[in-house]
Amino acid sequence: EIVMTQSPATLSVSPGERATLSCRASQSVSSNLAWYQQKPGQAPRLLIYAASTRATGVPVRFSGSGSGTEFTLTISSLQSEDFAVYYCHQCNNWPRTFGQGTKVEIK
Amino acid sequence: QVHLVESGGGVVQPGRSLRLSCAASGFTFRNYGMHWVRQAPGKGLEWVAFISYDGSDREYVDSVKGRLTISRDNSKNTLSLQTNSLRVEDTAVYYCAREGGDGTHYYPDYWGQGTLVTVSS
Repeated sequence: EIVMTQSPATLSVSPGERATLSCRASQSVSSNLAWYQQKPGQAPRLLIYAASTRATGVPVRFSGSGSGTEFTLTISSLQSEDFAVYYCHQCNNWPRTFGQGTKVEIK
Repeated sequence: QVHLVESGGGVVQPGRSLRLSCAASGFTFRNYGMHWVRQAPGKGLEWVAFISYDGSDREYVDSVKGRLTISRDNSKNTLSLQTNSLRVEDTAVYYCAREGGDGTHYYPDYWGQGTLVTVSS
């Protein structure tokens, strides 16, 4: 099983600042990596797929990069609606696996 | 508009069974693979199972093999998860999700709102 490790566990950021979230895979997943945003009481929402492609309707302030084992989600200028938990998810091997999540909170 | 609605959750004793359903609409269900993903209270997401568009391929996380069975009825646009021999650690919100893709990369794209399963004596 591929283990996905996200860091940091919690990120405290002020509105308007940049946030950088990391995700590491225990073995290569090529570019088969997705990012999701989840707010309390809601289902996850797809943000990024294929490591760097924004899903339909996702604001341009969200960007993804990386391949192989190292991935990054960047939120260029945090808005109030962006405070949430973010998960990376490898779609390369069975079983599929998620990172443990990074909570982005207001500083 | 893609719409996924889960049902069938509830409170059940350890060792008992429950059948979860996911009603799909707004897309051609028979053309898409489908997933179940769960989330224990206050915890992260855990992928559980996948079924291919025609049901010929099924994948499971090791912790549920032999106890949970994913299936689908393309004539009724419905995904199911039969959960047997339930354990306390199966307590979670269960989400169904559609497997989207661009021809090269495949990933869960649309998700339902989830159904809560509580396993407790």
